Amino acid sequence: EVQLVESGGGLVQPGRSLKLSCLASGFTFSNYGMNWIRQAPGKGLEWVASISSSSSYIYYADTVKGRFTISRDNAKNTLYLQMTSLRSEDTALYYCARGRSSYWGQGVMVTVSS
Amino acid sequence: DVVMTQTPPSLSVAIGQSVSISCKSSQSLVASDKNTYLNWLLQSPGRSPKRLIYQVSKLDSGVPDRFSGSGSEKDFTLKISRVEAEDLGVYYCLQGTHLPHTFGSGTKLEIK
Repeated sequence: EVQLVESGGGLVQPGRSLKLSCLASGFTFSNYGMNWIRQAPGKGLEWVASISSSSSYIYYADTVKGRFTISRDNAKNTLYLQMTSLRSEDTALYYCARGRSSYWGQGVMVTVSS
Repeated sequence: DVVMTQTPPSLSVAIGQSVSISCKSSQSLVASDKNTYLNWLLQSPGRSPKRLIYQVSKLDSGVPDRFSGSGSEKDFTLKISRVEAEDLGVYYCLQGTHLPHTFGSGTKLEIK
């Protein structure tokens, strides 16, 4: 069974940093591109970043470019999202998703507030 | 960025009725590999999104055949035949052809 389990969320002050993790199981992690997608409270879905299976290709939404870094460790079956210079508008439920959104994790909440 | 215009924003239907949701893209979604990366997702209340349909019309495993997808280029439709109570939630289209990937604004399906 494919499982994606996000962790690392929490309450953080504006301007601070946070690192999210997504632990994958039930499939060969190194064979799939991965994504971070977020959902602000009561809002729709927003794609944040994608990384190819071997980390050769990385893409970001303009809203996070220069502040967020997506990475992966295929030996640990884990996807990461390093978030810096956080803003209130980054407050959202962050999901990791496999490939072309075939599977999603349960999400992890990030709240940016003083 | 590709804009995905999804309509209607909400639907209220009785059990057993059929419904259609439209998604129109601002650019063709045909990729260089000739595939069209248009997905349909359902977010049930309090749950993570779940993909129902990929590449316009291919059903994910376990998805009832009451769901069907159609369309091409820039115009796509999700149809739900014989709506059941478990179908309630918010439906999103998602294009994965162009970066950044973009979502429709969602259609909230309510059961009368």
